[in-house]
Amino acid sequence: DAKTTQPTSMDCAEGRAANLPCNHSTISGNEYVYWYRQIHSQGPQYIIHGLKNNETNEMASLIITEDRKSSTLILPHATLRDTAVYYCIVRNSSNTGKLIFGQGTTLQVKP
Amino acid sequence: DSGVTQTPKHLITATGQRVTLRCSPRSGDLSVYWYQQSLDQGLQFLIQYYNGEERAKGNILERFSAQQFPDLHSELNLSSLELGDSALYFCASNRDGSNQPQHFGDGTRLSIL
Repeated sequence: DAKTTQPTSMDCAEGRAANLPCNHSTISGNEYVYWYRQIHSQGPQYIIHGLKNNETNEMASLIITEDRKSSTLILPHATLRDTAVYYCIVRNSSNTGKLIFGQGTTLQVKP
Repeated sequence: DSGVTQTPKHLITATGQRVTLRCSPRSGDLSVYWYQQSLDQGLQFLIQYYNGEERAKGNILERFSAQQFPDLHSELNLSSLELGDSALYFCASNRDGSNQPQHFGDGTRLSIL
């Protein structure tokens, strides 16, 4: 599975959009980009995933560049409850679904 | 609520002991995953089961073992416990063990004294 690089930490003002970047320059054609987050010490929570097209759901939007070497998770209107560690994970569609977590980005939403 | 249930929530025991952590997957999910989260190692994949069979293995110690039962619940057994085994242990599940999103339980916090 491709390695990802994320900033260690980011701040965002409450009510503003939070844009979390992820680099995955070694991604291959059959690898998906997944985003999970972990609030405090709770279990990780799935947010969104995509292959090459941009995706949107009720939680967030995922923008994947045309060359697929990077992506951005967008939380359109961040709230204090969005303060968490955000993990960008790249993996292929094999029959083992294991997730390889990196260090993630700690997003602090400030009032 | 993810639908994945883990028990117990907290476990305190001593070095050398053995414990069993339990996980009930979401209704309809056939695959179960176990992860360990310690302060120095982050979140690490341990092992995956699909419909009762082991499918993938990660950095799981030989002192640790797991199984998935016919009713699809899973147990993670940790033996000869050491101080370094203190961690959060998460269970996750998904429908068929492939690239579908995984849904995580709230974890079991294991403290070794």
